[in-house]
Amino acid sequence: QQKVQQSPESLTVSEGAMASLNCTFSDGTSNNFRWYRQHSAKGLEVLVSIFSDGEKEEGRFTAHLNRANLHVSLHIREPQPSDSAVYLCAVSMRNYAQGLTFGLGTRVSVFP
Amino acid sequence: EAGVTQSPRYAVLQEGQAVSFWCDPISGHDTLYWYQQPRDQGPQLLVYFRDEAVIDNSQLPSDRFSAVRPKGTNSTLKIQSAKQGDTATYLCASSRYEQYFGPGTRLTVL
Repeated sequence: QQKVQQSPESLTVSEGAMASLNCTFSDGTSNNFRWYRQHSAKGLEVLVSIFSDGEKEEGRFTAHLNRANLHVSLHIREPQPSDSAVYLCAVSMRNYAQGLTFGLGTRVSVFP
Repeated sequence: EAGVTQSPRYAVLQEGQAVSFWCDPISGHDTLYWYQQPRDQGPQLLVYFRDEAVIDNSQLPSDRFSAVRPKGTNSTLKIQSAKQGDTATYLCASSRYEQYFGPGTRLTVL
């Protein structure tokens, strides 16, 4: 069964500094990876979807995937206080329509 | 384009009571998912449908939980005889390719 682990559990960064989040997964045949952001008491907002090794940028958010190392990361460039939220890594298997397996999340706090 | 809508937004029950959650997916999305998100955890898939058919309900506690999507559009998730351990946010998502999530229903069982 797929296991998804995120680190760190929480992260505090200053506005404008780079924030880096990590996610490891257990099944090397996974090929769909997403990062979501969840503000308190709200739904999930997809930030970046990545399906092949390498880098994908969406605005200030960049995901890096290395399937050989079972690792996907998220970098937030110039974080703002409004980026304070829980960030969730989600992984799915070959079929994109299958349900997602999520990590526990990283709580990011951005201070001015 | 309207997003995924869910109702109610909040529910508070005593143990043993029943509750239903309703989800209206994005128009044209054939796949609909229900997730359970306990406090401080990631969402966990309960069940998902393609059109009106259940594709995977292996994580649905079948003795007390049920889910239907009779016309392949809206869906209802029902909990019979709720327990304190059911306290969580229940998220609905829909997709054609990417999954889009609704705001969730926050359930508290006292």
